[in-house]
Parts: sequence; C-alpha cells; structure tokens
Amino acid sequence: EAGVAQSPRYKIIEKRQSVAFWCNPISGHATLYWYQQILGQGPKLLIQFQNNGVVDDSQLPKDRFSAERLKGVDSTLKIQPAKLEDSAVYLCASSLSGVANTIYFGEGSWLTVV
Amino acid sequence: QQQVKQSPQSLIVQKGGIPIINCAYENTAFDYFPWYQQFPGKGPALLIAIRPDVSEKKEGRFTISFNKSAKQFSLHIMDSQPGDSATYFCAARGNTDKLIFGTGTRLQVFP
Repeated sequence: EAGVAQSPRYKIIEKRQSVAFWCNPISGHATLYWYQQILGQGPKLLIQFQNNGVVDDSQLPKDRFSAERLKGVDSTLKIQPAKLEDSAVYLCASSLSGVANTIYFGEGSWLTVV
Repeated sequence: QQQVKQSPQSLIVQKGGIPIINCAYENTAFDYFPWYQQFPGKGPALLIAIRPDVSEKKEGRFTISFNKSAKQFSLHIMDSQPGDSATYFCAARGNTDKLIFGTGTRLQVFP
C-alpha cells in the first residue's frame, strides 16, 4: 500500500514570497490533515478535511495560509506571503474516518524562509 | 484543555535500559492515546496506542501504562536498543478525529 505522498520535500524561499505544498493521501482515506512542525516541537494541526469539507481550521493563520482539497483526494497548502517564522516541516497525514483509525503521516515538506 | 504535556524533553540511557516517557492531559473527551516515533528527516510513525478502558497495553518491547483517574499515561521501552534512538511523541484524540501532540522526547540509547 502506497503511503502519504508529499512534494516538494525541500523548499527555500525569501520572506514575502509564496510557496505551495502538495499532498496525496493514502487511497480511500477520507480524512486529511496538514500539520506544522517547528524544529524541536510537536506537530501542530493547521487544518483537517473530511472528504472535501473543512472540519477544523482554527489554528490556520488565514491571513497568509490557505488550503484546499477540491475533489476530496489530494490537497494543496499555500503560504503567501511567507514570514521567517513559517520555517518548519509541513506534514500531511491521512486516515480512514473514525477516531480509532490510525493516522498515517507523509515524510514532510521542509520549508526554510530566509 | 487541549494540551498534552510531555516529559522529559530528552532522555539518555544505555542499551538494555528502560526509558520511561510521561504524558498528562486535561480534556476528558480524549478517548484514544497513541504514541508516535519519529526519526530525523521522516514523518511520525504510529508505535502503539491505547484506549482509556484498559490500564496497560504491550506490543513487543513497548508498553503503555494508562491511569484514567490521574489523566496520565506513559511509554516504557524494555531492553532499549540503539535503533530506538528517535523522538517520541505522545498524542491524544477526541471525537473530532483531531490529534493533539505532546512536545516530544528525544531519546538516545548508547551501546
């Protein structure tokens, strides 16, 4: 079974530029998550989708971050304009619906803002 | 209320030792408690998980102890090996499928 795919793996941009990350979840997984992991910290949920609807985006900085999952499969996370403090790993994860189902993570997209 | 507090921040043990990582939570709506293992450059991977209706769960060398009344749970790694060196995160999940992570424990196991 293929895992959660993310791209690009690494990105370096200047502050105020924009960047987009793509995620393809495990086939059949209705729930998709984007997490931000700053170095030395635990992952923090940015947004959670159930199919193509948003379940939770309470911690998404909506003035600069946006995410979509138009067809209920793959998803894109965009940052515009980027700030230095956005330097982090952006982890995509997916799961079958239901609280007891395992959440599987991709390997992450590493963003450095200079 | 949504936080999961994890300690210690780092842990160094010798091969064969039994590192213990502790977590505490406040929100009684949490009903699923996984532990994730993360190697450098990789995403977190599920290690073991427990639901609050049991007090202990063991899978291989990894054991979760759960104290519902104290709202605490811990991970024990028996006969630790250098290959166990990684960062470990506890987490908690409620009825919205939202997974809240602890701050992580960096474990180093020396030969």
